[in-house]
Amino acid sequence: AQKVTQAQTEISVVEKEDVTLDCVYETRDTTYYLFWYKQPPSGELVFLIRRNSFDEQNEISGRYSWNFQKSTSSFNFTITASQVVDSAVYFCALSEDRDDKIIFGKGTRLHILP
Amino acid sequence: DTAVSQTPKYLVTQMGNDKSIKCEQNLGHDTMYWYKQDSKKFLKIMFSYNNKELIINETVPNRFSPKSPDKAHLNLHINSLELGDSAVYFCASSRPSGPARATEAFFGQGTRLTVV
Repeated sequence: AQKVTQAQTEISVVEKEDVTLDCVYETRDTTYYLFWYKQPPSGELVFLIRRNSFDEQNEISGRYSWNFQKSTSSFNFTITASQVVDSAVYFCALSEDRDDKIIFGKGTRLHILP
Repeated sequence: DTAVSQTPKYLVTQMGNDKSIKCEQNLGHDTMYWYKQDSKKFLKIMFSYNNKELIINETVPNRFSPKSPDKAHLNLHINSLELGDSAVYFCASSRPSGPARATEAFFGQGTRLTVV
């Protein structure tokens, strides 16, 4: 069965610090998809990135970077030089190729302190 | 143009009432979902539809009945509302998975349901 674990419930860092949000997943499929979503205080769910299981390249987008490691079943998310606007709940999610179910982790609430 | 829109945004109602939440997507996606987010922010899938056909029903009480008149719409009807139904309900859509075609899900802005 598919499962996503975000062990960090809540993290607080001071602005401009780097912060890494951890995500560990479980799946029996060889083809699967991993996602990160951001939920700011306004409540909407904002898609950040999708990674396919057959593409282990890490990705950087501005201050955001993602480290996908199949060997440890992890898909971690790093924010460099954090800003107050990064304060949100961040969700890691997994979808297997066999169905359309997208399973979410319990989320990590990130506080960026000014 | 909003990609996934759901109405209403807020819904306050009394226990025992029946209510509906509507969802529409203009992305041309085949798959639509309903998710429930509880007070602890946990997002749990309730249903998914592919091209108007029910694919996933995650042991949701049968007081919840989704209806998909066409692949661009997925409405959620809830009968006999209970206090525990209070949550934020999100509609979403995506392109179907397999083989290796899955896309991310795009979410509506959510409907905050409060049962009093």
